[in-house]
Amino acid sequence: GQQVMQIPQYQHVQEGEDFTTYCNSSTTLSNIQWYKQRPGGHPVFLIQLVKSGEVKKQKRLTFQFGEAKKNSSLHITATQTTDVGTYFCAGHDGGATNKLIFGTGTLLAVQP
Amino acid sequence: DGGITQSPKYLFRKEGQNVTLSCEQNLNHDAMYWYRQDPGQGLRLIYYSQIVNDFQKGDIAEGYSVSREKKESFPLTVTSAQKNPTAFYLCASTFGTYGYTFGSGTRLTVV
Repeated sequence: GQQVMQIPQYQHVQEGEDFTTYCNSSTTLSNIQWYKQRPGGHPVFLIQLVKSGEVKKQKRLTFQFGEAKKNSSLHITATQTTDVGTYFCAGHDGGATNKLIFGTGTLLAVQP
Repeated sequence: DGGITQSPKYLFRKEGQNVTLSCEQNLNHDAMYWYRQDPGQGLRLIYYSQIVNDFQKGDIAEGYSVSREKKESFPLTVTSAQKNPTAFYLCASTFGTYGYTFGSGTRLTVV
């Protein structure tokens, strides 16, 4: 079945360092969404990308959707302790059910 | 404010017991979903419903059942057939292909 993998599984950074997580799908996605889950919390929707090669920014966060619509990345500039959590990508398969397929997630730890 | 309410926040189940997790939304979303999350793991889809009175199995439906009698409500029953039910259960809703809104979750523990 369709899979969405994320790397790395875990990243530990010093506060102020940059961070990037990569998302790769085995099939073409109609869109890509990103979510953040704080420890002990629930996933919160961050953003959706739809177009091939699209780039969007939210303050220190930069999101990219690959040209082939099979991969995506989230880059955080100058991490802060408030960035701690697990970041999930998710994409719609565009099929009859149009289910959202979640990635495996990347846990970010930020040391002050 | 609009949102999704899950209850209870914590639930303890004895062996052989069925338990029902509540999920209510006032966002007027058509589609609702149930996910299971194990510690340090991703989200696995249990059941989903795109319209009232209709629902489909997700990837791990065995041992679970749902109903969708009202647009606002999508309760999940964890039956005794689910042999390893201890997990964090998340309900979500959406309109079309927009981002999902998640509830705050129910932590189920078998005692």
